[in-house]
Amino acid sequence: DSGVTQTPKHLITATGQRVTLRCSPRSGDLSVYWYQQSLDQGLQFLIQYYNGEERAKGNILERFSAQQFPDLHSELNLSSLELGDSALYFCASSPEDTYEQYFGPGTRLTVT
Amino acid sequence: DAKTTQPTSMDCAEGRAANLPCNHSTISGNEYVYWYRQIHSQGPQYIIHGLKNNETNEMASLIITEDRKSSTLILPHATLRDTAVYYCIVRESNYQLIWGAGTKLIIKP
Repeated sequence: DSGVTQTPKHLITATGQRVTLRCSPRSGDLSVYWYQQSLDQGLQFLIQYYNGEERAKGNILERFSAQQFPDLHSELNLSSLELGDSALYFCASSPEDTYEQYFGPGTRLTVT
Repeated sequence: DAKTTQPTSMDCAEGRAANLPCNHSTISGNEYVYWYRQIHSQGPQYIIHGLKNNETNEMASLIITEDRKSSTLILPHATLRDTAVYYCIVRESNYQLIWGAGTKLIIKP
């Protein structure tokens, strides 16, 4: 158990809908990272927040957005969902940017 | 930014040492080498990282060549539970981790 929690574990929704994925980092970790992993693909970095501020952006679509709240939990919002958005979405946290990342169990999103 | 090259897959007998190579010939002086693994569809798990010295922890050892162009992750006594995809990552200057395809390590009884 990494100490990072993600909810929900599974999510099934239809095209065009909007969903919110939630992540609670390890206690004391200031950085939160979001990744997308499509079937049999490597992890794609989406976005990083550090202590409430956006720190780095990767291959995140404009239909996706994220935020980190004062209590340091983070949410990833996915809108106008397409079939291709079906994937595992992982959240990770670390104390600082330079530390190793600890990953949550992921949210499996299925868009039908 | 440095990229890494790893074998697509490897086999290792249970109880033997598993040695996973990684090439990162374009690594720059301030970039660290990180190793993670991912057991099927679970969240990736941090294993170890290093800059230029060899490192060891309770999970593995990391051997980095003197020129830093390659490294080897060593699992000293592989078990069936070590079957996973192992990722060698060189951390970008803005701290993002860029994940390649990794090495699929299969531990055989």
